[in-house]
Amino acid sequence: GAVVSQHPSRVICKSGTSVKIECRSLDFQATTMFWYRQFPKKSLMLMATSNEGSKATYEQGVEKDKFLINHASLTLSTLTVTSAHPEDSSFYICSARDGKNTEAFFGQGTRLTVV
Amino acid sequence: KQEVTQIPAALSVPEGENLVLNCSFTDSAIYNLQWFRQDPGKGLTSLLLIQSSQREQTSGRLNASLDKSSGRSTLYIAASQPGDSATYLCAVDSGNTPLVFGKGTRLSVIA
Repeated sequence: GAVVSQHPSRVICKSGTSVKIECRSLDFQATTMFWYRQFPKKSLMLMATSNEGSKATYEQGVEKDKFLINHASLTLSTLTVTSAHPEDSSFYICSARDGKNTEAFFGQGTRLTVV
Repeated sequence: KQEVTQIPAALSVPEGENLVLNCSFTDSAIYNLQWFRQDPGKGLTSLLLIQSSQREQTSGRLNASLDKSSGRSTLYIAASQPGDSATYLCAVDSGNTPLVFGKGTRLSVIA
């Protein structure tokens, strides 16, 4: 299947700093990418939908100024957690599709720990 | 609003058993349904994608069926192995919305 690469896999940062997470589609062009957050032993919670060249659509309750999403090319989307706090510690996963209603592929996830 | 339910929430079986995981969805107007596997602390691996016009898909020891009219899908795992231990997630694509996920079934295959 198609490959989605997410980097870094783990990051520890100090409270108040910003962290950028990258999501790349390696062998296909992703017109749409999705960012999820997952709490321990819980299912995925959609944070936002990112379309190449346009602003991301955020789910209700997700602060767009805190979770900045950029989808500048058809193979790369980034999620920046700004002014991180311990409560932002979580597992973040990205997903990409090469078209509408096509198979979704997921990155390996990023474990963020804010200390 | 589409809702996806997976039963059971957890399952423990001895190695070699065949097993069935269930997924149900409330709105039958779907484009496709996808089954994923997630290992602890990892991302999701796509197992099978069933288009709305299909009844089933097979990959190795896995077989997924889809009954769109009744809003049900099953994932059948034959001759289970300890390496099959993971959380299995079902997700529905209803068109212009992102995938809607179930809460998953946590499978443990005991050697």
